[in-house]
Formats: sequence, structure tokens, C-alpha cells
Amino acid sequence: GAVVSQHPSWVICKSGTSVKIECRSLDFQATTMFWYRQFPKKSLMLMATSNEGSKATYEQGVEKDKFLINHASLTLSTLTVTSAHPEDSSFYICSAFRDFTDTQYFGPGTRLTVL
Amino acid sequence: DAKTTQPTSMDCAEGRAANLPCNHSTISGNEYVYWYRQIHSQGPQYIIHGLKNNETNEMASLIITEDRKSSTLILPHATLRDTAVYYCIVRVNYGQNFVFGPGTRLSVLP
Repeated sequence: GAVVSQHPSWVICKSGTSVKIECRSLDFQATTMFWYRQFPKKSLMLMATSNEGSKATYEQGVEKDKFLINHASLTLSTLTVTSAHPEDSSFYICSAFRDFTDTQYFGPGTRLTVL
Repeated sequence: DAKTTQPTSMDCAEGRAANLPCNHSTISGNEYVYWYRQIHSQGPQYIIHGLKNNETNEMASLIITEDRKSSTLILPHATLRDTAVYYCIVRVNYGQNFVFGPGTRLSVLP
């Protein structure tokens, strides 16, 4: 159990376009989901905390107008990278917190490449 | 900032036990220790977590010292597929946010 999926697994887009990434908890409900980004050979950096039915909480230095987060249901959170630029190219990973096991479970990640 | 320190890298022979240490000297009494691993280009995988007692599951064992200032993750019979970056995380104050440090890059050698 405790499976989290992400879609798409990879995406290539042109500079200036917007990209939406979906994160789903498949076999449990999650009131809280998290979005991370990871650069090559670096650790995960938390971008924002997504709470179902309320506004996301962004970490310092993360532009909320650029990285739009929607947590519309207890199993789905989305991250939209608006007006993407090459410097937004990264590995984006979501996670969902499962209260029953008191643990975060991670999705497989989405590799975004902006040309 | 992460509340843990880990060695940057370790090697282990295939079939042997891999013992990965973690220091968390500022841990508080109600803070859990979690271990995850990340295989290249994948999301982190949950391994195990504990508070003060030693824990064991099908993947690994977690040994926490009595003063709780350090812990060791043990993979009893390492295989090549265990090659990954292993992250030790202290969960702060019942928060759901986990802060990742740089982790330990474990290489299992044939």
C-alpha cells in the first residue's frame, strides 16, 4: 500500500509555456501533500506544502505566482509551472502524508526540461 | 536545515550487511527518526522509522542509541539494487514536513 503516482514522468516544453504536473495518492487519502524540486547531484528542496481545500504554503524564495499549487481533493494535488524558463528545468517530486502510518510517501518524480 | 549528519559515501560488499550511521545530537524527546533511500532518477522510498526502540521490517533494521543522539540503519544482506542515496531525517515537532540533508551515497560492490 501507500502508492503515490505522478504524471507525466517527463515533459519537454518551450520557454514561455505552462506545464501542469499531477500528484495522486492511489490507495490512501492525504490532507497534506508536498512538492519538492531536485537539481542534479543535490538533495530534495521543499517548495511548498499543499493542504486540501486551502491555499498552499510556500517556502521562502519560491514564487507562488510561478508555481501554482492546487489540492482539490484528498487524493490529488497539482503543480503548474507558469511561463516556464530554462532555469525551471529540474526534477519535481511530490509526496503525500499518510496519517495512519505517520509517514510521507513519495511519487516517482517528473523531469521537466524547458527549451 | 537538516538536524542530521551522515557520511557522504560508503561502500559495501554484496551479500554483507550495510551499516549506515546517522548523528542527530540535538534531537528532542518526541522527534522520530526516519530513513528513506533514493535510487537514481526516482522518488525517495520509505524504509523505516522509529522513536526510541529498535525497529525491524522486511527491508531493514533501525538501531537507535539509548541517548537517541545517533542511529544506524542496517541492511542485513546488501544487494546491488541497494545502491542508492540514503537519507536520515528527524521529524521536527510532529510536523509533517521532512527536511532532507545530503544523505549517504551507498555503493554496493560485486
